[in-house]
Amino acid sequence: GESVGLHLPTLSVQEGDNSIINCAYSNSASDYFIWYKQESGKGPQFIIDIRSNMDKRQGQRVTVLLNKTVKHLSLQIAATQPGDSAVYFCAENIPPGGSYIPTFGRGTSLIVHP
Amino acid sequence: EAGVAQSPRYKIIEKRQSVAFWCNPISGHATLYWYQQILGQGPKLLIQFQNNGVVDDSQLPKDRFSAERLKGVDSTLKIQPAKLEDSAVYLCASSSGTGRNEKLFFGSGTQLSVL
Repeated sequence: GESVGLHLPTLSVQEGDNSIINCAYSNSASDYFIWYKQESGKGPQFIIDIRSNMDKRQGQRVTVLLNKTVKHLSLQIAATQPGDSAVYFCAENIPPGGSYIPTFGRGTSLIVHP
Repeated sequence: EAGVAQSPRYKIIEKRQSVAFWCNPISGHATLYWYQQILGQGPKLLIQFQNNGVVDDSQLPKDRFSAERLKGVDSTLKIQPAKLEDSAVYLCASSSGTGRNEKLFFGSGTQLSVL
């Protein structure tokens, strides 16, 4: 089965609201996590990453939180805009035997209403 | 800097036919990945190359799928014969290496429909 999963398949928000997208991971050996954004008809695009020695990292309008105790990640988007509408994936780099294998969760579809 | 290039953009075939996809990674990127993304799901890794060697192909259905990266640059993924369940978007990605903190850069994918 998948080692990375998302709690909510669809999230609808109003423009200007803050969005929170959650992700659970099960591989305790993973120590690097990435959030990707995938717009319709395009490949996933890097948004922000976090290493396991951190519990929070901020970017422009985005913040990623990591809780290693419960193996949980979240992506917070401030002042959500219509352009943020996309599917968001968390991914973990799993080290099975020397080389890291990027593994994706199922994704959350974010819908922003104007 | 040019991104990851993939072709064709769309492909429609009948079951039992064969199909091939092409990928050219970002210049200088040693690692190349092929992912399969079924509608409504996250990308699933099929194969990972480091230069022209295979790092992981544990989820590649080897009875029908094959991939090569002969010169360590561009790559082709082939399906022969195709099944209905192969309908998906095939994404190619590249990264500079296979280390802990690698970010992937994706192409726009090839959307395959098997009828």
